[in-house]
Amino acid sequence: GNSVTQMEGPVTLSEEAFLTINCTYTATGYPSLFWYVQYPGEGLQLLLKATKADDKGSNKGFEATYRKETTSFHLEKGSVQVSDSAVYFCALSPFQGAQKLVFGQGTRLTINP
Amino acid sequence: NAGVTQTPKFRILKIGQSMTLQCAQDMNHNYMYWYRQDPGMGLKLIYYSVGAGITDKGEVPNGYNVSRSTTEDFPLRLELAAPSQTSVYFCASRISGGGAETDTQYFGPGTRLTVL
Repeated sequence: GNSVTQMEGPVTLSEEAFLTINCTYTATGYPSLFWYVQYPGEGLQLLLKATKADDKGSNKGFEATYRKETTSFHLEKGSVQVSDSAVYFCALSPFQGAQKLVFGQGTRLTINP
Repeated sequence: NAGVTQTPKFRILKIGQSMTLQCAQDMNHNYMYWYRQDPGMGLKLIYYSVGAGITDKGEVPNGYNVSRSTTEDFPLRLELAAPSQTSVYFCASRISGGGAETDTQYFGPGTRLTVL
């Protein structure tokens, strides 16, 4: 079946630190991969996505590369800010046009000044 | 474009009461979804719809009902509220058809429900 496993949280970093949140997936076909972000008190927003192997999604200084050989889509940012404090969800769509997304359990990130 | 809107933002119910959570989108999306998010947990799919008049169960449908009479609206009904339904409820929508945008879901701001 299809599944997404995320790095256990919570994660706490100091401002300007380097961030990595690990995400690995299991899928039978050629999935699309997503990172969503949920700021406190808000709904989820799409942060970035990649639709095929070796694609790199990027937005707001965050990046993630679709690695088929390691079935991974790790989220990275070179220098985090307090405003990046949020819950981050990795997700996959098993194939383009699939009816449902498969979400990971979420990773809570707190950035201290 | 208002995107996906949800009402109410907050609600407290007593055990056994009923209520309807409203969700509307103005993006002409065919697909709509209801999720619940329990404290510190990920999202669980309750129901979804691929178009007006068509609905299907997700992972956790028990205790809920939905209807989809228009493309824009997808209300979620709780008939006999129970403490286990205390959660934050999110509605989402996405476009159908081909193309890279097909799989991206757009979320509403959520409804925080407490059942006492």
